[in-house]
Amino acid sequence: DSGVTQTPKHLITATGQRVTLRCSPRSGDLSVYWYQQSLDQGLQFLIQYYNGEERAKGNILERFSAQQFPDLHSELNLSSLELGDSALYFCASSATIGVSNTEAFFGQGTRLTVV
Amino acid sequence: AQTVTQSQPEMSVQEAETVTLSCTYDTSESDYYLFWYKQPPSRQMILVIRQEAYKQQNATENRFSVNFQKAAKSFSLKISDSQLGDAAMYFCAYRSPIRAGNDKIIFGKGTRLHILP
Repeated sequence: DSGVTQTPKHLITATGQRVTLRCSPRSGDLSVYWYQQSLDQGLQFLIQYYNGEERAKGNILERFSAQQFPDLHSELNLSSLELGDSALYFCASSATIGVSNTEAFFGQGTRLTVV
Repeated sequence: AQTVTQSQPEMSVQEAETVTLSCTYDTSESDYYLFWYKQPPSRQMILVIRQEAYKQQNATENRFSVNFQKAAKSFSLKISDSQLGDAAMYFCAYRSPIRAGNDKIIFGKGTRLHILP
């Protein structure tokens, strides 16, 4: 168990709809990362938050948005969904560099299927 | 922008043999972090090994070791005594230093490793 919790595990929705994916980071981790993994593909970096503020942005579509709340949990909002948005969405968290661990710990992912 | 390249989409190795997975990266930073993650069929992302760029010594974790060539920007993973449970997708990853303004973690496209019994 990585200590990172993602909900829901599976989500099936129709095109044009909007969904929210939730992530609770490991206790004490300030950084949260979101990644998209399409079938048999690599991990595409979407966005990173650090202590509530957006830190870095990757190839995140305008239809997607995210935020990190004061309790450090994060949500990824996907709107106007298209078939091509079907993927596994990972959340990861990490400690600040300078603390013991430097790697990202991953949640189990949310499998999104758009039909 | 930083990039991570894994040039071997798939590899196969006989059980008990040794295999090396390649990774190159591009960065203008001198201080950064490199990782290998394993993704088995369960799709869970599991850290295999980490390397700090300021350390000259190559990291080792049991049967897993790396060959870190900083000047060449190369970071290969060697798996010794391959086991059936090593079959997975392996991702190389780069983490920026925090002083760069962000410490995002970038992944390569992965290498699928097959273990032949």
